[in-house]
Parts: sequence; C-alpha cells; structure tokens
Amino acid sequence: QQQVKQSPQSLIVQKGGISIINCAYENTAFDYFPWYQQFPGKGPALLIAIRPDVSEKKEGRFTISFNKSAKQFSLHIMDSQPGDSATYFCAATFSGGYNKLIFGAGTRLAVHP
Amino acid sequence: NAGVTQTPKFQVLKTGQSMTLQCAQDMNHNSMYWYRQDPGMGLRLIYYSASEGTTDKGEVPNGYNVSRLNKREFSLRLESAAPSQTSVYFCASRGVGSGANVLTFGAGSRLTVL
Repeated sequence: QQQVKQSPQSLIVQKGGISIINCAYENTAFDYFPWYQQFPGKGPALLIAIRPDVSEKKEGRFTISFNKSAKQFSLHIMDSQPGDSATYFCAATFSGGYNKLIFGAGTRLAVHP
Repeated sequence: NAGVTQTPKFQVLKTGQSMTLQCAQDMNHNSMYWYRQDPGMGLRLIYYSASEGTTDKGEVPNGYNVSRLNKREFSLRLESAAPSQTSVYFCASRGVGSGANVLTFGAGSRLTVL
C-alpha cells in the first residue's frame, strides 16, 4: 500500500535547468515531509524538510513547495548541476510517528553537462 | 566519527541459508531501523527499535528477525533466505532533540539470494 506516490521515476535535466519531483500523499494526519538524497553506493541522507504550516521552504538551490489542499508537495532544484545526480526520495509521517516514516518510490535524477 | 556502520557490504546466499546483517552506531541514538530498498518500491521498513530492549514490526517483517543487542547494535537475521529477499538493506538510527526528525543511514548491505 503506497501512501506516498512519487513521480517521475527518472528524470534527465541539462546542467543549469530546473529539476522538479512531485509527491502526493493520502493520510491527512501527515504533518512532516522530508526529502532524502541518495548517491550511488551510499545511504540516503536528509536534504530538506517541511511542515504543512508553510507553503514553501528554500535551502540554497533546493525548494520544497507544499499544497495542503491538494495533498501534494514537490522538490525543485534550481540551476541543476551534475553533482546533483542522485536518487531522491520524498517521505511523510505524523508527529510522534517518526518510527513509521513512509517513503515514496524514489526518482533517479541525471543532470547532463 | 563513523556514524552508522553495516557489515557485510555484499553477500550471496543460497535459498534456505541463514545469515545476520550487523549494524552499529556511535552517535548514542536511541532508535534504530532496518529498511530494504528495491527498485520502484522505495525504502520499506522491516523492523525498528525505539529504544534499547524494544523491537517492533514495520511494513515488511515476514522472514526476518531482529535483535537490539545494546544501545549501539541492532542486527537483522534471515533464518531461511528466499530469492524474494534479494535486496539492498539499510540500517538507520535516529537521535533526540534537534536530531529527532533525522534518520542517519549506513552505506547499505547488498544481499543476493540464489
């Protein structure tokens, strides 16, 4: 049962372009939405996270946009670089429920020079 | 500061064989987790341990057992491996306070069951 649906499965972007990865969730009790970044041969690492009391959070070139009414959130990578090539996972959970963090299926991003 | 260390990194088993994946963290974290990663399926929680002495099932616990040996170590055992358990396994830990919402993952253990 996929409670967090992530798209696209793979994405190719030219250097300098904008990468956009989308996620949708079902459980309205979710109130914490992190994104994890995974490089080949490594474990995932927290990239950026948002709570639904804000519609956008920006950290450097990475921005999360959140639409509570649509139950959707997305990751935007501005000025994408070859070093951003990785697999990105969105996730969701609720306060006190971090032991049951639900991950999306992942998006493999390739940024071409 | 090693973070989360998993062993072995690679393992090939025959169907029916048993093995244990080891995980240790040096961050004094209370909570530890075992996930499996499969193409198109994301990361799925197998078992977790919220604190030393406790373990609970996650989304896909069948065919696995775990032991929280002490605060640092959390092992995952496959008693009778099946081809469906071919996967990449990740151990993770989580702290408290400012680190309560951050999972720190190990580098993974790639398991192939023939």
